[in-house]
Parts: sequence; structure tokens; C-alpha cells
Amino acid sequence: DQQVKQNSPSLSVQEGRISILNCDYTNSMFDYFLWYKKYPAEGPTFLISISSIKDKNEDGRFTVFLNKSAKHLSLHIVPSQPGDSAVYFCAASATGRSAAGNKLTFGGGTRVLVKP
Amino acid sequence: DGGITQSPKYLFRKEGQNVTLSCEQNLNHDAMYWYRQDPGQGLRLIYYSQIVNDFQKGDIAEGYSVSREKKESFPLTVTSAQKNPTAFYLCASRPRTGAVGYTFGSGTRLTVV
Repeated sequence: DQQVKQNSPSLSVQEGRISILNCDYTNSMFDYFLWYKKYPAEGPTFLISISSIKDKNEDGRFTVFLNKSAKHLSLHIVPSQPGDSAVYFCAASATGRSAAGNKLTFGGGTRVLVKP
Repeated sequence: DGGITQSPKYLFRKEGQNVTLSCEQNLNHDAMYWYRQDPGQGLRLIYYSQIVNDFQKGDIAEGYSVSREKKESFPLTVTSAQKNPTAFYLCASRPRTGAVGYTFGSGTRLTVV
């Protein structure tokens, strides 16, 4: 049972336009969410995060939106650049005291291709 | 520079052999994790350790074993009992308190032939 889902396996966007990546989760205990970027044969690198007490977090070209009632978050990249071409993973964590290990649960990833 | 080192980058083994993947960190992080990446399935948790000499099974621990004798090191052994060991393996760490996110190593691609 996948607790974190990224339903779009791939996304193609023109340079300069907006990329929107979506992520859905089912576990209501999740209260912290992260996006990671991954290039082939490399480890993921942290991109941006959001706590459940917020509904938006912005860092430069990257904005993450959280809709707790819908158990949905999205990552907006604007403007998209060719260097943004990578696989993006959504991850979620339950950070409460009862959460063993504060483990991250990852979605299946979305491959983004930004065309020049 | 602080970071996580996974070695080797590529590893080939014959079917039926055990193989150990190395993970070393100099970030003074307490918690360490092993994930496996397969195409289209994201990252799945194999084992994790929050403190030296203690570790817990993740979602797909069958066929794997770990040890945590030192804070800096968390090696993963892929045993012959693992039915589909060919994958990309990622090690990660985080401090016990504070940051929620992980720092990842660069991964080891294991191919069993």
C-alpha cells in the first residue's frame, strides 16, 4: 500500500514555462513533507520542504503548496530551466514522538524534461 | 568536507553470493538509513538505525542484513536470500534532532549476474 503517490511518471515542459509536480498521501500522521531532486546514478538532493502548519513555502524558483484536507501537495518550478531536468521525489514524514525513526516515505518519482 | 561516502559505485556479483555495500559518514549524524531504488517504484526503506548497536527493519528487509558498530558506518549485506538484488542502493543519514530531511550518499549500483 503506497502511502505517498506521484501519479505522473513524467512531465515535459518548455524552458521558461511552469512545471507543476503533484503528490498525494494517505497517512494522516504525516506532518512534514519534502521534495528531492535526483540525477541518474546520483543520490537525491534536498530541494524544499513544508511543515503541515503551513500551506505554502517558497524558495527562489521553487514553491511547494500543501492542501491538508485533500492530502495533496504540489511543487511549482517557475521558470523551468534545462538544468531542472531530473527525477523529483516527494517524501513525507511523521515527526511526532510516536513516530519511530522519523523515516521518510517516498513517492515513485516524476521525471521532468525541460526542453530548450 | 562532510558527507556520506558509498562504495563502490558499481558492483557486480554472481547469483548466490553475499555482498556488502559500504556506507560511511563524517557528519556526526545519529540516524542512518538504507533505501533501494527500482525503476518506477521510488525509494523503499530496507533498514535504519537511530543509534549505535541498534537497528530496525524497514519495509523490505527480507534478504538483507546490517550492522551499526560505529556511529560513522552502516554497512548493508545483500544475502543470497534476496530474490531480486539487482538495484540502485542509497544510504542516507540525519541528525537525531532538528532536520527532518536526509543527506544521501551517491549510491551503489549492484548487478547480480
